[in-house]
Amino acid sequence: GESVGLHLPTLSVQEGDNSIINCAYSNSASDYFIWYKQESGKGPQFIIDIRSNMDKRQGQRVTVLLNKTVKHLSLQIAATQPGDSAVYFCADRVISNFGNEKLTFGTGTRLTIIP
Amino acid sequence: DAMVIQNPRYQVTQFGKPVTLSCSQTLNHNVMYWYQQKSSQAPKLLFHYYDKDFNNEADTPDNFQSRRPNTSFCFLDIRSPGLGDAAMYLCATSRPAWPTYNEQFFGPGTRLTVL
Repeated sequence: GESVGLHLPTLSVQEGDNSIINCAYSNSASDYFIWYKQESGKGPQFIIDIRSNMDKRQGQRVTVLLNKTVKHLSLQIAATQPGDSAVYFCADRVISNFGNEKLTFGTGTRLTIIP
Repeated sequence: DAMVIQNPRYQVTQFGKPVTLSCSQTLNHNVMYWYQQKSSQAPKLLFHYYDKDFNNEADTPDNFQSRRPNTSFCFLDIRSPGLGDAAMYLCATSRPAWPTYNEQFFGPGTRLTVL
């Protein structure tokens, strides 16, 4: 069935180092992949997205890589800061026959930045 | 600032006592979503309104209903809450622009406790 899953539930990184969060997906019909950040007690916040016909996209301190061959995507965060500590979710988007958009979220990775 | 507002932030109800959660938005987005997020899990889509059209997910229990009286407001009604319904309920909005992706904006969530 359709699923978006993460390899590691927790990740600890020294402040200033780079972090990589991985995600696997199974739905070949997904046309977009999105990363969200969720801080404690808050709703998810959009970080970056990538269309399925791309393999790399860069934002401010973040890079998303997509490997469709193995159905894998990753989020790289450069020069991590204490404010990067949060749970990170990948999600995939599918458009239904009726034009409705649905996001399916993965299980999340808790990133902890060590000062 | 344009935003998604959820009230209350914390809701305590008794087993079987109906409860209504509220979401409002100032973004003038035409789509509003309700997600359920249980502890340490990913958000799970319950249903969404595309304008006035209600779209239920196949596995959303009948116990969950929704109303959208106007563009700005959307309500989640839980008719007979069970202990398993204790969760964070997230409201999100978007203005889809297929084939591109316009991010879903999430509210801060309402944490529901069922006694």
